[in-house]
Amino acid sequence: SQQGEEDPQALSIQEGENATMNCSYKTSINNLQWYRQNSGRGLVHLILIRSNEREKHSGRLRVTLDTSKKSSSLLITASRAADTASYFCATLGGSNYKLTFGKGTLLTVNP
Amino acid sequence: DAGITQSPRHKVTETGTPVTLRCHQTENHRYMYWYRQDPGHGLRLIHYSYGVKDTDKGEVSDGYSVSRSKTEDFLLTLESATSSQTSVYFCAISESVAGASYEQYFGPGTRLTVT
Repeated sequence: SQQGEEDPQALSIQEGENATMNCSYKTSINNLQWYRQNSGRGLVHLILIRSNEREKHSGRLRVTLDTSKKSSSLLITASRAADTASYFCATLGGSNYKLTFGKGTLLTVNP
Repeated sequence: DAGITQSPRHKVTETGTPVTLRCHQTENHRYMYWYRQDPGHGLRLIHYSYGVKDTDKGEVSDGYSVSRSKTEDFLLTLESATSSQTSVYFCAISESVAGASYEQYFGPGTRLTVT
């Protein structure tokens, strides 16, 4: 069963706009990770946030984590057409080395 | 793709035949994983390995077996392929140093069609 659930399932924006995706999960976590998947390709790790962190930045990416609400958000600022992809959150539980992935958000950035 | 290759990249097979997919890594990472990806289901873990000859089941392991005789190779076998196993299969690897991050690095995928 999926631990993380992304919202929305699909998002369409114009180039230059910001894109926000959300992830909710059910049980306690060690860390939460975001991945990107371009069509027909494997997933690529984007950013990781640990359970004791609240916010993290990497280039145009900003991730927040609220463990009290069991939720995370991924913000992509100044979106580009090349950001068009599916984005997945994945959670690492406290007692194992397996990630549990959500079903993903399909982001389309229109030029 | 972080030194991970999968073979074959595409395969069409008939119901009832055995199929073996191979994942090969050059990163010397300890952990290896097999996932399947289907529309509406996201990524689901089939089996994983935490060392040579050490493997365990994931959430959708029925009908699949794995083997890892060397650090670099992780094989996924469909013992008797069924149409429900038509999917895209991804291999992933991860390593953990102090901090237990377990970030995963994915191969390019194998598209399997069972007719």
